[in-house]
Amino acid sequence: AQSVTQLGSHVSVSEGALVLLRCNYSSSVPPYLFWYVQYPNQGLQLLLKYTSAATLVKGINGFEAEFKKSETSFHLTKPSAHMSDAAEYFCAVSAPPAGNQFYFGTGTSLTVIP
Amino acid sequence: GAVVSQHPSRVICKSGTSVKIECRSLDFQATTMFWYRQFPKQSLMLMATSNEGSKATYEQGVEKDKFLINHASLTLSTLTVTSAHPEDSSFYICSAREYGADGLNQPQHFGDGTRLSIL
Repeated sequence: AQSVTQLGSHVSVSEGALVLLRCNYSSSVPPYLFWYVQYPNQGLQLLLKYTSAATLVKGINGFEAEFKKSETSFHLTKPSAHMSDAAEYFCAVSAPPAGNQFYFGTGTSLTVIP
Repeated sequence: GAVVSQHPSRVICKSGTSVKIECRSLDFQATTMFWYRQFPKQSLMLMATSNEGSKATYEQGVEKDKFLINHASLTLSTLTVTSAHPEDSSFYICSAREYGADGLNQPQHFGDGTRLSIL
């Protein structure tokens, strides 16, 4: 079975500071991992995905994530937070035998303080 | 990029009304679409997987007769909430994966969601 755990339901950072959102996964087979962002009253937008190629994945809006198998982690980072980064962030995993199904974490709400 | 259009974005209606929500993949074909429900400040809860040309697969605890899903073409899936009641009020989101996509490394593309409010 697959699952993801997002540590910290709320994260606050100052504008210009480093953003670090944590995601740990559980999977008995090599997983595919995704980060999505959700703005209020909107659907989810794909930030980046890990598909067993490079372990450091670069996404949109300056975000990146590093796949660490030894730590079963896929943390999301951004060097310098912008006010526009304030949103809800979801980590998701997809792997056999679940097929098409994604398993989402509980989400992390990011607040950026001016 | 792949775009999924969901309509309507907001519905307010009386208890007992049936409501249909459409999910369209605009620039790609989707054999599989997903319907989620999201409660305030919570994650997405998968309700069902919609497969083009066949019956939907519902998650445990989701009433098939309450939430009717039809996936009649490679670009359209619909969710009908039948005889809606206040407890059905929620944010419903659909997603789609591209037809012929190789393996499980393809992302899901999401619609903008539908805010359903039953009075």
